[in-house]
Amino acid sequence: GAGVSQSPRYKVTKRGQDVTLRCDPISSHATLYWYQQALGQGPEFLTYFNYEAQPDKSGLPSDRFSAERPEGSISTLTIQRTEQRDSAMYRCASSPNSPNLAGYTGELFFGEGSRLTVL
Amino acid sequence: AQTVTQSQPEMSVQEAETVTLSCTYDTSENNYYLFWYKQPPSRQMILVIRQEAYKQQNATENRFSVNFQKAAKSFSLKISDSQLGDTAMYFCAFMDRDDKIIFGKGTRLHILP
Repeated sequence: GAGVSQSPRYKVTKRGQDVTLRCDPISSHATLYWYQQALGQGPEFLTYFNYEAQPDKSGLPSDRFSAERPEGSISTLTIQRTEQRDSAMYRCASSPNSPNLAGYTGELFFGEGSRLTVL
Repeated sequence: AQTVTQSQPEMSVQEAETVTLSCTYDTSENNYYLFWYKQPPSRQMILVIRQEAYKQQNATENRFSVNFQKAAKSFSLKISDSQLGDTAMYFCAFMDRDDKIIFGKGTRLHILP
């Protein structure tokens, strides 16, 4: 695709419900990141993938959070039994390659984000 | 674990002035990358500049330059001849050898006419 696409853009849910957020990265981008960003704050690392492998998920706040990227392209972030403190912007970013490859720029391409509101 | 600290939550400067944004980080690694990203009110994230830790020369991109002090683990961003369009949140970011990228909390920069 032309850019990183996230859906839904906005999600309002009631406390206790499960939500799934989707990220469609730029085609062939190897690395995909999930961040949580509160208004006026920096992106907080949640987890990332290199293709389908998930090297680090240490940023996931609790076991209610999980992420998948089963075929190394589209990824989903699922929050079970949502709580009000989960309300935030969830941002996905992808990167084309690793520093070991020629042409590496380190640039992350961010999606527009999914704004989650838990009532 | 690596950390990134931006000690200036907010700054204001007059148009055409020079401003320096601070960033410090903590890591035990020797090879890594550092970045500055800009987030204007549109909430888009834009890469401003990057620095490879193994390069001693400071990176420069037009009006943007960095002062990279590896021993001090400091990575400041200098914006010369600031313009109204530079008004944004600025985030310092660190990437480790495993491609994990973490961000600082940001500095909100206001360029005043």
